[in-house]
Amino acid sequence: AQSVSQHNHHVILSEAASLELGCNYSYGGTVNLFWYVQYPGQHLQLLLKYFSGDPLVKGIKGFEAEFIKSKFSFNLRKPSVQWSDTAEYFCAVNNAGNMLTFGGGTRLMVKP
Amino acid sequence: DAGVTQSPTHLIKTRGQHVTLRCSPISGHKSVSWYQQVLGQGPQFIFQYYEKEERGRGNFPDRFSARQFPNYSSELNVNALLLGDSALYLCASSFLGFKDEKLFFGSGTQLSVL
Repeated sequence: AQSVSQHNHHVILSEAASLELGCNYSYGGTVNLFWYVQYPGQHLQLLLKYFSGDPLVKGIKGFEAEFIKSKFSFNLRKPSVQWSDTAEYFCAVNNAGNMLTFGGGTRLMVKP
Repeated sequence: DAGVTQSPTHLIKTRGQHVTLRCSPISGHKSVSWYQQVLGQGPQFIFQYYEKEERGRGNFPDRFSARQFPNYSSELNVNALLLGDSALYLCASSFLGFKDEKLFFGSGTQLSVL
């Protein structure tokens, strides 16, 4: 069975700091990779996704993620965070249909 | 356009009772999925339906069941509720349920089992 690990459960940053959230998955076959975000009081929404091709994927709001197959990783990055990035971030994978396996989530707090 | 809508938003039940949660997908979407999110954890896949047929089932006991109606709305049923069923239940929809499709999530139903 596939699984997803997000090692950072809580992250606190000041505005303009750089962000990197770790995501590792365990599955030997071809996977699709996703980052979803949940802003306070809002529903889960897609930040970015990787299916194939360029392993560096750009998403909304200046976020990007890099797929490193040899490390089974799909880390999320943003060069300079804003207070409005305060949210919970979930990494997810699927290998069949669109049934997603989510990681445990990372709560990001950005201090103004 | 309306997003994925779920009802009710909150629900309180006691152990042993039965509960029905409802979901209306985005107009035009034919696939509906259900996820359980326990506090402090990521969502866990329960079911996926497409064109009224079950396409996938997660690792949940038979007390959990679901169905999809001709208008593509869906119900999640949980029998013999346990304390551990307390969670946020999320519904998500997509056009065809293919692996490369974006999922659109609803705001969820918060179920508390006392």
